[in-house]
Amino acid sequence: KAGVTQTPRYLIKTRGQQVTLSCSPISGHRSVSWYQQTPGQGLQFLFEYFSETQRNKGNFPGRFSGRQFSNSRSEMNVSTLELGDSALYLCASSLLAGSQYEQYFGPGTRLTVT
Amino acid sequence: AQTVTQSQPEMSVQEAETVTLSCTYDTSESDYYLFWYKQPPSRQMILVIRQEAYKQQNATENRFSVNFQKAAKSFSLKISDSQLGDAAMYFCAYKAAAGNKLTFGGGTRVLVKP
Repeated sequence: KAGVTQTPRYLIKTRGQQVTLSCSPISGHRSVSWYQQTPGQGLQFLFEYFSETQRNKGNFPGRFSGRQFSNSRSEMNVSTLELGDSALYLCASSLLAGSQYEQYFGPGTRLTVT
Repeated sequence: AQTVTQSQPEMSVQEAETVTLSCTYDTSESDYYLFWYKQPPSRQMILVIRQEAYKQQNATENRFSVNFQKAAKSFSLKISDSQLGDAAMYFCAYKAAAGNKLTFGGGTRVLVKP
């Protein structure tokens, strides 16, 4: 079974632009979560989606948004990019929502904002 | 809010020896899950071991074992017979019983000397 895939793997954007990152969960998985990893702040939870509904959201500004499609694929969007948005963005999928279900991480998208 | 603290930024171990990584957490919940994730240079997060808070027995996965002290809110990871492939960042993570949000510690870098 294929793992979690994230596209693109690397991205360079300019301040003020917007960006969309994509995450395809493991086949059959319906829950997708997003995390931001930076050297300064570490790993921080962005949001979680299940059955096209946002179930939980981390403490990030409104510039960060996401959605989930009927096939469970998820996208996150960052508008008006700032230098501090440079990070590794990780996506994780699980079969269903709930702690007993293991989360599997994708390889991440490395975003660089110049 | 839940917090996870890893007090050791870096640990070094000789190949075939044992190393123990520390993790403490703070929560007011009684039901939760704890995890250790490994992140090698490839950046792919890999689940090493998980512990359900309601289980008194410490989890073990091959050369990896935990020492879970619920009252002390401590969750350490022991890597026995260390191998070169164990070199990576290790993250301790907490998840409440409801939902999929993971709260991560700051990480411990493990160096394995041949």
